[in-house]
Amino acid sequence: QKEVEQNSGPLSVPEGAIASLNCTYSDRGSQSFFWYRQYSGKSPELIMSIYSNGDKEDGRFTAQLNKASQYVSLLIRDSQPSDSATYLCAVRPSSASKIIFGSGTRLSIRP
Amino acid sequence: GAVVSQHPSWVICKSGTSVKIECRSLDFQATTMFWYRQFPKQSLMLMATSNEGSKATYEQGVEKDKFLINHASLTLSTLTVTSAHPEDSSFYICSARGTRLVGQFFGPGTRLTVL
Repeated sequence: QKEVEQNSGPLSVPEGAIASLNCTYSDRGSQSFFWYRQYSGKSPELIMSIYSNGDKEDGRFTAQLNKASQYVSLLIRDSQPSDSATYLCAVRPSSASKIIFGSGTRLSIRP
Repeated sequence: GAVVSQHPSWVICKSGTSVKIECRSLDFQATTMFWYRQFPKQSLMLMATSNEGSKATYEQGVEKDKFLINHASLTLSTLTVTSAHPEDSSFYICSARGTRLVGQFFGPGTRLTVL
């Protein structure tokens, strides 16, 4: 079982709709969770971090964490073509200093 | 805040030569730096983790004698690809963490092409 799992996609969402990206992790003791966005040919950019159960909102982005289910999600409201990118879920396990990245979900927003 | 730079942004070299890539944290002290490699349309692959003043810890399958990492200060880490071959052509990305930062912040990456 991979430590951080994501559906590779591509996930195609019409412009203006809500894009929902999901991630599961294996280390139940994990405390820190992150979402990165990576445009093609560029390096990842941190867009959200979340540490406690529930929702965290930042502009059009909402991160959701459910530690009991070991599940993290990212919602993007009012999706724009510029949101088309690969989204990486990342988790810091309880016993490690390094962050473990999922393989990413490719999101495509169609006009 | 939390800006990481890399130099050069791209490099083309001949097979057998060595290439040095610099990674700098511009506005924070990077206690830990990470080096990744990414091939086209593939996931990030962690190569090694380095702490300032210590030897780097390499991931399984990464040759430490080929990929030399030096983390000499709290703001600078270097990756040297020695005796580069065409199969080393890839996108190399550094990432840094600071003591007061949560999360890792990535440099813009260096695209290496070995002819």
